[in-house]
Amino acid sequence: ETGVTQTPRHLVMGMTNKKSLKCEQHLGHNAMYWYKQSAKKPLELMFVYNFKEQTENNSVPSRFSPECPNSSHLFLHLHTLQPEDSALYLCASSRDLGGRGEQFFGPGTRLTVL
Amino acid sequence: AQSVTQLGSHVSVSEGALVLLRCNYSSSVPPYLFWYVQYPNQGLQLLLKYTTGATLVKGINGFEAEFKKSETSFHLTKPSAHMSDAAEYFCAVRIGFGNEKLTFGTGTRLTIIP
Repeated sequence: ETGVTQTPRHLVMGMTNKKSLKCEQHLGHNAMYWYKQSAKKPLELMFVYNFKEQTENNSVPSRFSPECPNSSHLFLHLHTLQPEDSALYLCASSRDLGGRGEQFFGPGTRLTVL
Repeated sequence: AQSVTQLGSHVSVSEGALVLLRCNYSSSVPPYLFWYVQYPNQGLQLLLKYTTGATLVKGINGFEAEFKKSETSFHLTKPSAHMSDAAEYFCAVRIGFGNEKLTFGTGTRLTIIP
């Protein structure tokens, strides 16, 4: 596997379910990100991790809980979601924070909340 | 605060015609500017970026963009459109070194007419 991978690619869940999204990067990067992409809205940055430490929480509701056990893996734990949380969730990584480097994106998880 | 405006949520061009996708940004300090492309069911892929130096930047797939400070613009162009260019394009800005936040525009969907 190369680049940034995300599983599952599609997820349908009820409002009372608990599920997790997984992201893995094979690029040796130190920073990882979660974004939410909704129709007709700009990408929303949710969380940023650098060397496993959370550096940004962009006022995300507590029903979204991130976890970064190491620099290669990032999880997004979901519980008691709302229908408006249905969106494409994108994971990204970069060599480090800031600087001139680009962010590399995974293919995303398409989440539908019923 | 930084922001990005992409004029035109949908752009259609004929195959072989010029592609022009517009992006304007607001920033009080010199920005780093990016164009990303998203093909259906995929994540975002970097097309090109401007950090410092030459204001005309060349990217992949024959795309280029010019940073015009006086106009606060970073428009994306390609001389001759190809069917494979059909995708959604996102302009993004990062303000300053050491700031990991990328602010994205709402995207422009490019359709190529055969």
